[in-house]
Amino acid sequence: ELKVEQNPLFLSMQEGKNYTIYCNYSTTSDRLYWYRQDPGKSLESLFVLLSNGAVKQEGRLMASLDTKARLSTLHITAAVHDLSATYFCAVDRAISAGGTSYGKLTFGQGTILTVHP
Amino acid sequence: DTEVTQTPKHLVMGMTNKKSLKCEQHMGHRAMYWYKQKAKKPPELMFVYSYEKLSINESVPSRFSPECPNSSLLNLHLHALQPEDSALYLCASSQEVQRRTYEQYFGPGTRLTVT
Repeated sequence: ELKVEQNPLFLSMQEGKNYTIYCNYSTTSDRLYWYRQDPGKSLESLFVLLSNGAVKQEGRLMASLDTKARLSTLHITAAVHDLSATYFCAVDRAISAGGTSYGKLTFGQGTILTVHP
Repeated sequence: DTEVTQTPKHLVMGMTNKKSLKCEQHMGHRAMYWYKQKAKKPPELMFVYSYEKLSINESVPSRFSPECPNSSLLNLHLHALQPEDSALYLCASSQEVQRRTYEQYFGPGTRLTVT
């Protein structure tokens, strides 16, 4: 059974500081996603990481993937209040049904990020 | 059109009611999904439809009944729910090409409260 573990689960940061969220998973996967979720809202896709060594950056967020270590990181640079949200990683692993491979997303527990002035 | 829409946004229902959630997409995606997300927890897959046929049921209780009347529309019929079924219900869709699915696009969700 695939397990996805994020840490930390709670992160309180000061504005301007840097920090990293870690996502470990237990078996090989096809893709890894990072999502942001604001309270009461849906999931906003941040990054899709497809292969070993993949690195993607958008604004103050940078995500990387190490498939050999089964580890993805989400690095936050110079945090601002607007980044306060819950961040999920999700591992996409193909499951077969009726001759089709479906990407089943298994999510980490989520990291609740709060950025303080 | 690159979005998934869901209605209603909020739903309050009693345990004896019958209600339905609706999901629509016009991206030409042939795979559609229902997820359930309890408060402060990650989403969990409930059902997957492919080409309007139910392909995956993640052992969901029968009080949840999915339906895919056409390639753009996915419903979730609710009957005799319990208070613990209160959650955010998310719909998603993805391309399916040569028997493989790709990135899922999520709708805004329906916040369901069972009283």
